[in-house]
Amino acid sequence: GQQLNQSPQSMFIQEGEDVSMNCTSSSIFNTWLWYKQDPGEGPVLLIALYKAGELTSNGRLTAQFGITRKDSFLNISASIPSDVGIYFCAGQPPTNTGNQFYFGTGTSLTVIP
Amino acid sequence: GAGVSQSPRYKVTKRGQDVALRCDPISGHVSLYWYRQALGQGPEFLTYFNYEAQQDKSGLPNDRFSAERPEGSISTLTIQRTEQRDSAMYRCASSSLLAGGPPSSYNEQFFGPGTRLTVL
Repeated sequence: GQQLNQSPQSMFIQEGEDVSMNCTSSSIFNTWLWYKQDPGEGPVLLIALYKAGELTSNGRLTAQFGITRKDSFLNISASIPSDVGIYFCAGQPPTNTGNQFYFGTGTSLTVIP
Repeated sequence: GAGVSQSPRYKVTKRGQDVALRCDPISGHVSLYWYRQALGQGPEFLTYFNYEAQQDKSGLPNDRFSAERPEGSISTLTIQRTEQRDSAMYRCASSSLLAGGPPSSYNEQFFGPGTRLTVL
């Protein structure tokens, strides 16, 4: 299956700093999702994006659906220790109608208090 | 209410043995998905069900892998003649709405804690 490329692979930041990560694909997607995974747990949905150019916020999180439909960005403002975890993007290609999503390789975030 | 549960949480088996992994979705959720997640990677789609019907099994790696959901609730993923390369975290997810809807909507999938399979 397809794998989406996420960058950076890992980040170490100070509490209070802003964070940016992105996800790219060689093909277009109709829907982009961002998940957070805590150790020992399953991924939990943070934000869903449905339209090219769409910008959506969820508290301190903001995500954008890239205009080219081949990328998406996630920003976290004023990071706090509980933001620690692995962030995954996921995308659904136009030909897929089965709710099947392809996941990215993940960005591991460490927040230093 | 209870979330998605999976059992066992950990399974260690010898190469060549068969294993059965169980998923108990959120009550009332009609769609159920199986994923495999290797260490350091994102979840990889295996198969999904709407009610008891298996809609897409294109992600199953080979014919040693099969899944069923006979009564439209609990699902079992079976791996026959396990190999070391089958070692991974196997995750189940469920959603409240039927999969296969228009691309402009997303039926949120709620993930279970996973079963960590180790094949020796």
